[in-house]
Amino acid sequence: GAVVSQHPSRVICKSGTSVKIECRSLDFQATTMFWYRQFPKKSLMLMATSNEGSKATYEQGVEKDKFLINHASLTLSTLTVTSAHPEDSSFYICSATRRGNEQFFGPGTRLTVL
Amino acid sequence: AQSVTQLDSQVPVFEEAPVELRCNYSSSVSVYLFWYVQYPNQGLQLLLKYLSGSTLVKGINGFEAEFNKSQTSFHLRKPSVHISDTAEYFCAVDNSGGSNYKLTFGKGTLLTVNP
Repeated sequence: GAVVSQHPSRVICKSGTSVKIECRSLDFQATTMFWYRQFPKKSLMLMATSNEGSKATYEQGVEKDKFLINHASLTLSTLTVTSAHPEDSSFYICSATRRGNEQFFGPGTRLTVL
Repeated sequence: AQSVTQLDSQVPVFEEAPVELRCNYSSSVSVYLFWYVQYPNQGLQLLLKYLSGSTLVKGINGFEAEFNKSQTSFHLRKPSVHISDTAEYFCAVDNSGGSNYKLTFGKGTLLTVNP
C-alpha cells in the first residue's frame, strides 16, 4: 500500500507555455501532499505543502503565481508551472502523507523547457 | 531552524565491502529521522526511520542506522554492499514531532559500488 503516482513522467515544452503535473495517491487518502524540486546532483527543495481543500503553503522564495498548486481531492494534487522558462527545467517530485509520520514519494517528473 | 549535514557527497566502495554513510543533524527538539534511497530518474524510497525506542533501526535491503542523540548523528550502515546498492542516499529530519510532517533533507551521498 501507499503508492503515489505522478503524470507525466517526462515533459518537454516550449518557453512561455504552461505545464501541469499530477500527483495521485493510489491506495490511500492523503491528508497532506508536498511538492519538491530537485536540481541535478542536489538535494530536494521543498516548494510547498498542500492540504485538501485549502490553499497551499509556499516555502520562502517560491513564487506562488508561477507554481500553482491545487489540491482538489484527498487523492489528487496538481502543480502547474506557468509561463515556463528554461530555468524551470528540473525534476519535480511530489509526496503524500496520511495520518502518520511518513511521506510516500512519487516517481518524479522530468520537466525540460526549451 | 533544523539542518541536516551529510558529510560525504560521494562514497565509492567495492562490492561486498562494508559501508557507512554519515548524517548529522541540528535540532533543539525531538526529531524523527529518515534515510531514503533514490535510484536514477526515480523518486525516493524509504530505507528506514527512527521515531522513538531502540536507537538501532533496521531497514530494507540489509541497511541499518543508529540514532545517537549526544552526537546528533544518524549514520547509515550496511555490512556488505552489492552492485545494486549504487544510488543516491538522503538523510532527512522531521522536527515537527509529526505535526506537519515537513522534512528537511541533506544534500545526499552518492554511493557507488564497484565490482
